[in-house]
Amino acid sequence: AQSVSQHNHHVILSEAASLELGCNYSYGGTVNLFWYVQYPGQHLQLLLKYFSGDPLVKGIKGFEAEFIKSKFSFNLRKPSVQWSDTAEYFCAVTVDSSYKLIFGSGTRLLVRP
Amino acid sequence: GAVVSQHPSRVICKSGTSVKIECRSLDFQATTMFWYRQFPKKSLMLMATSNEGSKATYEQGVEKDKFLINHASLTLSTLTVTSAHPEDSSFYICSASLGGTGELFFGEGSRLTVL
Repeated sequence: AQSVSQHNHHVILSEAASLELGCNYSYGGTVNLFWYVQYPGQHLQLLLKYFSGDPLVKGIKGFEAEFIKSKFSFNLRKPSVQWSDTAEYFCAVTVDSSYKLIFGSGTRLLVRP
Repeated sequence: GAVVSQHPSRVICKSGTSVKIECRSLDFQATTMFWYRQFPKKSLMLMATSNEGSKATYEQGVEKDKFLINHASLTLSTLTVTSAHPEDSSFYICSASLGGTGELFFGEGSRLTVL
């Protein structure tokens, strides 16, 4: 069965530090890849997505992610985090053009001022 | 962007009662909506796919008689937790797809507490 793994469950960083959150999926066919963010008390919102084309995807708020097909990975990065980036981040995939999202377990990011 | 709204955001009920949660797409029509359940410190688990005008498709292990889903219009899907028990306490989230973009928009979630 398809699955998504996020290996970092909790990450604590100081402001201005660089961020990389890992995401790996298990599926050999066509995938669409997503990163969602859930700020405290708010609903899930899309950070960025990859469907095809340039494997380096830029999203909102300075986030980017790189799709590496050979590694089945879609890691999220930000060169300099801010306190306002404190949130939970979810990696998700859909397979074979389905709308059915499969989520990773999430990573809680705490950015200390 | 497209907006999906859930109501109520919080509900507390007694064991044995039924609770209905609504999911509305406010500025677009959604032929397909999804219902998720989020467990504490865990990921979102897809419960079912709700299709307008037809029966919902439930994921393996989800009791369709307990979690009734109705998608009567292109802007509204409802999830009814029947004969709720404390173990049904959870955070329920809906999402709706916007046409062919492949993007899903999420509601704010509804926290159910069963006493």
